Amino acid sequence: QVTLKESGPVLVKPTETLTLTCTVSGFSLSNARMGVSWIRQPPGKALEWLAHIFSNDEKSYSTSLKSRLTISKDTSKSQVVLTMTNMDPVDTATYYCARMIRIAARPGWFDPWGQGTLVTVSS
Amino acid sequence: DIQMTQSPSSLSASVGDRVTITCRASQGISNYLAWYQQKPGKVPKLLIYAASTLQSGVPSRFSGSGSGTDFTLTISSLQPEDVATYYCQKYNSAPFTFGPGTKVDIK
Repeated sequence: QVTLKESGPVLVKPTETLTLTCTVSGFSLSNARMGVSWIRQPPGKALEWLAHIFSNDEKSYSTSLKSRLTISKDTSKSQVVLTMTNMDPVDTATYYCARMIRIAARPGWFDPWGQGTLVTVSS
Repeated sequence: DIQMTQSPSSLSASVGDRVTITCRASQGISNYLAWYQQKPGKVPKLLIYAASTLQSGVPSRFSGSGSGTDFTLTISSLQPEDVATYYCQKYNSAPFTFGPGTKVDIK
């Protein structure tokens, strides 16, 4: 069974750096077809894709947030880590990680998703 | 970056109605499009990938079509359990942008 679980702080202060961890099970981050994305959703708003990492360590970022994001992985721990710098109250959201499987060496869809973790930015 | 739009932003329909949601990409994405369903307070769930392929376990009343820039999600007979927000998402290449969502409820 494939599962993903997000973990990290529930509350961060403005200007702080957020570090979130996605721990996966049921698949290996070293599998050439596997990758993991981070997606967020502010309360009552739409989904926003943030970043992705493929098994070969290729990374992609949201154009609007690229300067603030870093994604990395620790294959031995089955973890994908997202850091977001200079947090602001508008970054308050539920943060999800999700698996992507490459199909014929091209990106695929997101399935499954983690349960999400709500991060509130407030002083 | 390719932008994704959806219409309508919300709709209200009766049980048994046929419901159609449209998703448009600002540039062609072939069939690299997925649809997700998010029920209130729940995690998004994959419904359709490759524009028209139904994910295993998804009821057959859901269907998808389209290619290039214009896509549709159809619910052939709306059921109470279909109350949710539906998102399209492109995955031909990064950024893997989502549409703004369409909220569906029962009239």
